[in-house]
Amino acid sequence: DAGITQSPRHKVTETGTPVTLRCHQTENHRYMYWYRQDPGHGLRLIHYSYGVKDTDKGEVSDGYSVSRSKTEDFLLTLESATSSQTSVYFCAISNPGQGVVGNIQYFGAGTRLSVL
Amino acid sequence: AQKVTQAQTEISVVEKEDVTLDCVYETRDTTYYLFWYKQPPSGELVFLIRRNSFDEQNEISGRYSWNFQKSTSSFNFTITASQVVDSAVYFCALSPNNAGNMLTFGGGTRLMVKP
Repeated sequence: DAGITQSPRHKVTETGTPVTLRCHQTENHRYMYWYRQDPGHGLRLIHYSYGVKDTDKGEVSDGYSVSRSKTEDFLLTLESATSSQTSVYFCAISNPGQGVVGNIQYFGAGTRLSVL
Repeated sequence: AQKVTQAQTEISVVEKEDVTLDCVYETRDTTYYLFWYKQPPSGELVFLIRRNSFDEQNEISGRYSWNFQKSTSSFNFTITASQVVDSAVYFCALSPNNAGNMLTFGGGTRLMVKP
């Protein structure tokens, strides 16, 4: 299994509070991603990173920010959580290339976030 | 824009039946990747297969097989002789064939295999 750790695994918070989710990898993969999973929508990309300090927006980035100060860590921050951000959040990692595992995204176990 | 459609939201079969999960995609890219992931009740996402768009060979892995048809933009997944442990949500996904490939997921198909 890919070495990906998401923390916390579960969190309950109140509307308007800041929340930070952490993704930590031990695989030295270049790319890291944050997705959210909601019923009927599959997974949707929030933000991704293609290197230290290099990030870009995904499909549903409004209300979220990210940071990557080290190869192994990718943080997702909800500056002021809203009830619409209640979801399961998945981190993923990948490396480019045409090899056997190139461009395959491996996922963490997920973080279940409830915003009350 | 890319789109993946899994029209079957839920499928229920009895153990040992064969079952096919449909996946239809849309993309303007000439080269791309297609994927299947499994999400068992425990919630993690398990990678099953990656297929490059220039490789239309079908693939078989044990009880699993995949049928890729570029002409109909489909990448269907068949489980032969289904087992209770196959019960999960299965996601089809699409990405461009470049570095930092962002995945576009279908909505998923929930497969329930009854004993």
